[in-house]
Amino acid sequence: GAGVSQTPSNKVTEKGKYVELRCDPISGHTALYWYRQSLGQGPEFLIYFQGTGAADDSGLPNDRFFAVRPEGSVSTLKIQRTERGDSAVYLCASSLAHSTDTQYFGPGTRLTVL
Amino acid sequence: GENVEQHPSTLSVQEGDSAVIKCTYSDSASNYFPWYKQELGKGPQLIIDIRSNVGEKKDQRIAVTLNKTAKHFSLHITETQPEDSAVYFCAASINGGSQGNLIFGKGTKLSVKP
Repeated sequence: GAGVSQTPSNKVTEKGKYVELRCDPISGHTALYWYRQSLGQGPEFLIYFQGTGAADDSGLPNDRFFAVRPEGSVSTLKIQRTERGDSAVYLCASSLAHSTDTQYFGPGTRLTVL
Repeated sequence: GENVEQHPSTLSVQEGDSAVIKCTYSDSASNYFPWYKQELGKGPQLIIDIRSNVGEKKDQRIAVTLNKTAKHFSLHITETQPEDSAVYFCAASINGGSQGNLIFGKGTKLSVKP
């Protein structure tokens, strides 16, 4: 079956601009996670959705970052007033349910802020 | 919060040799420990995981061991092949509650020389 998909695969933007990154989880997965991976580092947690609600957003670095999942499936990560330090690969993962462990990752979106 | 340390950061082995990667964690409440393999330009792919009620788990050439008392776990790859070359990440999480996000180590770049 289809895995987690993310679009776009690459996004180049200018400092100060607004960007949206999309994640399509595995069909039927109720839990969805966003992580950020800087070069040479492991993924760092940003936010976790259980259904439509954000169960844990403690990893969001500041109020420029926001994510939604209005229908409990597709999620969008939104970054306002982008800064050069936001450049990273943004990974999305989904799992069957919050109590089920295995998280399956998408290929990521590489964001470059010039 | 949880902290995961991973060693070594790079590992080079000859084809056919074994490779061992070690991780330690800080939060004794962590109960789920997955290992991911990440190839260049791709998202992390789960290769094996272990839960805190199991001390060892094996899947063909890959095995993971867990020592809860010492709070460390290790990945063992036997009979390494060139296609095992990638970056490997360990992670830990507290599963089953309102959390579920993974805390990753910084990764180990494994090179298998033919």
